[in-house]
Amino acid sequence: EADIYQTPRYLVIGTGKKITLECSQTMGHDKMYWYQQDPGMELHLIHYSYGVNSTEKGDLSSESTVSRIRTEHFPLTLESARPSHTSQYLCASSDGTADTQYFGPGTRLTVL
Amino acid sequence: DQQVKQNSPSLSVQEGRISILNCDYTNSMFDYFLWYKKYPAEGPTFLISISSIKDKNEDGRFTVFLNKSAKHLSLHIVPSQPGDSAVYFCAARGGYNNNDMRFGAGTRLTVKP
Repeated sequence: EADIYQTPRYLVIGTGKKITLECSQTMGHDKMYWYQQDPGMELHLIHYSYGVNSTEKGDLSSESTVSRIRTEHFPLTLESARPSHTSQYLCASSDGTADTQYFGPGTRLTVL
Repeated sequence: DQQVKQNSPSLSVQEGRISILNCDYTNSMFDYFLWYKKYPAEGPTFLISISSIKDKNEDGRFTVFLNKSAKHLSLHIVPSQPGDSAVYFCAARGGYNNNDMRFGAGTRLTVKP
């Protein structure tokens, strides 16, 4: 079972602020993902990474950016938060051969 | 473009009975299917999966059935327990980007004691 952590768990912030959502995993997984989920809706992939210095955008357009400087760390940044960014953000990881993604507990973001 | 659909947003069953959760997909290139379970304030947890070369996979009380011709899969939970109450997500992987996972919107299962 993968250990994957996200902080903060909950964040309420004002419009225009810069925020970074943290995601770390201790399993040495090469692949990491960020999903966005609104209540009652499917998870949408917004970013993924296949390894250090590799990042790609997912199928859902997002104003956020990501970086992958270390294998275990995959932070997501919003330069200027807006109310439309209010959502739950889920981080996941998988190894190079497995088909299963393991999820963190999520960050529920509210932008006022 | 919702390629994975869970048409029932909720399902309620009595403890001890069978729970059947359904999922339909549109992309015939999907070759691997998964079910995840999600409790409130937690991330999804992997439950069971099935490869497209199989039509059934069983793990304890959980069985997933795949009907490729109908592009349909289902999750059976027998017997259902109150602790099974959660949101269940169907996911499918494959297609042009083999690592692209598509998720359904989830079905909220409530198992009544």
